[in-house]
Amino acid sequence: QKEVEQNSGPLSVPEGAIASLNCTYSDRGSQSFFWYRQYSGKSPELIMSIYSNGDKEDGRFTAQLNKASQYVSLLIRDSQPSDSATYLCAVNAFMDTGRRALTFGSGTRLQVQP
Amino acid sequence: DAGVTQSPTHLIKTRGQQVTLRCSPKSGHDTVSWYQQALGQGPQFIFQYYEEEERQRGNFPDRFSGHQFPNYSSELNVNALLLGDSALYLCASSLSSYNRNYGYTFGSGTRLTVV
Repeated sequence: QKEVEQNSGPLSVPEGAIASLNCTYSDRGSQSFFWYRQYSGKSPELIMSIYSNGDKEDGRFTAQLNKASQYVSLLIRDSQPSDSATYLCAVNAFMDTGRRALTFGSGTRLQVQP
Repeated sequence: DAGVTQSPTHLIKTRGQQVTLRCSPKSGHDTVSWYQQALGQGPQFIFQYYEEEERQRGNFPDRFSGHQFPNYSSELNVNALLLGDSALYLCASSLSSYNRNYGYTFGSGTRLTVV
């Protein structure tokens, strides 16, 4: 069973602060890593993808990947109340068939306090 | 460009009944994956369809079955419904790749309630 682990939270940060979300994964062969945002009652929305070690920035979001440590993180700068949601880490892991499927963590609930 | 379309949006079924959920993938996508998301949990992988065949399956019983049609659309069938099957069922489409995956696009989901 390929696993993706996240702290369920809630992670509470004040408006304007940096929110740091973390994720570890067990499958060393994973090549693709994603962060999804999910508002309550809605479907997941892809916000970041990362494939190589290091940082990838997109607006207020930065994804960080460390394959040696099997660790991926998401930083949200200048957090806004509208960022309050559950953030899902997903890893595209090989299954027994040799094809890949997204495996999700249980999500971290982020609360941005005005 | 239409995204992933799922129907119906909500469904209430009685324990023991059967249900069929439908999904049309995003234009240009050929692979459909189904996920079950219980309240407060992350999506759990049910199975994935490509070229009209089930290519891989998560840890779900045979009561869960599916189909993919030549136009890449897909159905999820659940037989002998249990109360525990109540969840949000998500369809995700992608472009087949044995290498890098560029992410899945999710539909808005079907909320299934079993009473």
